[in-house]
Amino acid sequence: SQTIHQWPATLVQPVGSPLSLECTVEGTSNPNLYWYRQAAGRGLQLLFYSVGIGQISSEVPQNLSASRPQDRQFILSSKKLLLSDSGFYLCALAGPQDLYNEQFFGPGTRLTVL
Amino acid sequence: DAKTTQPTSMDCAEGRAANLPCNHSTISGNEYVYWYRQIHSQGPQYIIHGLKNNETNEMASLIITEDRKSSTLILPHATLRDTAVYYCIVRANSNSGYALNFGKGTSLLVTP
Repeated sequence: SQTIHQWPATLVQPVGSPLSLECTVEGTSNPNLYWYRQAAGRGLQLLFYSVGIGQISSEVPQNLSASRPQDRQFILSSKKLLLSDSGFYLCALAGPQDLYNEQFFGPGTRLTVL
Repeated sequence: DAKTTQPTSMDCAEGRAANLPCNHSTISGNEYVYWYRQIHSQGPQYIIHGLKNNETNEMASLIITEDRKSSTLILPHATLRDTAVYYCIVRANSNSGYALNFGKGTSLLVTP
């Protein structure tokens, strides 16, 4: 079965500091991978998605970036965090052979920028 | 993807059926209706999806009207653990990597 690992579970960072959130998946090959963010009291916002190694599509222009160095690894980064980057960050996957593209979500990382 | 409209919140007594409505009047022929839910502080969880026929699985039933302009998610015997935000999403299926467009959903509160 598919498993998504995200770490850390919670993170408190000062404004202007760098960020690196990691997502790794198991039990699948060549998945589509996604980064979503949920700000407090708001809906889920798609940030990035990737259909393969080195392939990143950005949905929202901002100070965040994503990379996919390996098939089952997806990293979300920032050089300088803003207060508005606080939120619940979720990694999700969809199997490439899954006709219906059902998405599975990881446990999330709760980021607080102070 | 077509837009969906859901009530902001609903209450349901434990053990009773929870019927969550969703309007999607601009749905096109190749778009599916998906339901996800998000329990507080967790990632969303897939529940069910359908195209035009009613669907049932171990979690819920999905009833889609004949004109496909609306649907209802039914939790037949709601429990306290079903308290969550329920999202109705309409989208065409592809392998292009397109992500799900989550709206605000319906906050369901199951009470004892």
